[in-house]
Amino acid sequence: DAMVIQNPRYQVTQFGKPVTLSCSQTLNHNVMYWYQQKSSQAPKLLFHYYDKDFNNEADTPDNFQSRRPNTSFCFLDIRSPGLGDAAMYLCATSRSGGTLRAQYFGPGTRLTVL
Amino acid sequence: KQEVTQIPAALSVPEGENLVLNCSFTDSAIYNLQWFRQDPGKGLTSLLLIQSSQREQTSGRLNASLDKSSGRSTLYIAASQPGDSATYLCASSYTSGTYKYIFGTGTRLKVLA
Repeated sequence: DAMVIQNPRYQVTQFGKPVTLSCSQTLNHNVMYWYQQKSSQAPKLLFHYYDKDFNNEADTPDNFQSRRPNTSFCFLDIRSPGLGDAAMYLCATSRSGGTLRAQYFGPGTRLTVL
Repeated sequence: KQEVTQIPAALSVPEGENLVLNCSFTDSAIYNLQWFRQDPGKGLTSLLLIQSSQREQTSGRLNASLDKSSGRSTLYIAASQPGDSATYLCASSYTSGTYKYIFGTGTRLKVLA
């Protein structure tokens, strides 16, 4: 089945130690998104790629960066994680062509910062 | 500012009851609206998507409606089951030039056996 895959599902890191979260998709969608979701809150968009074009949200901290080496993969890098960065990180994809533009989400990566 | 609101934040119902979840949005110029289900500690599962030109969409026991003039969408769940217990989120996108969603904070549903 076509899907969005996130690895790892759970990540524990130390305060200030860089961490990379991975997302891959078999849907061949050209738009990929990274969201941060804290407990009982709505997902918050960090950035998205439209094809190779990177679009950063104005309030996304500089501590968060992303790479998209090809259509299928996208990475979220947190350069110096703080305690406030502990959250669920969700990857999503959509297709710009057509009329629907539905977003499809992966299972998420739960990040713990010690 | 575009905002999406979901009330109530939490809801408990006995099994078998029909129920309606509400989603309100401030900007009527939406492109589409998507309903999701989120189980604790998991990602979002897409339930239904309504385009701005549509009034409703149905899938099994679920029916979603859209009324742009009043800025409201509802998710109707028929004959609720304990397995329907989850958080339900709505999200809308605006204009044809953007691919970003504005999310509501969700309604946490508990269906009691």
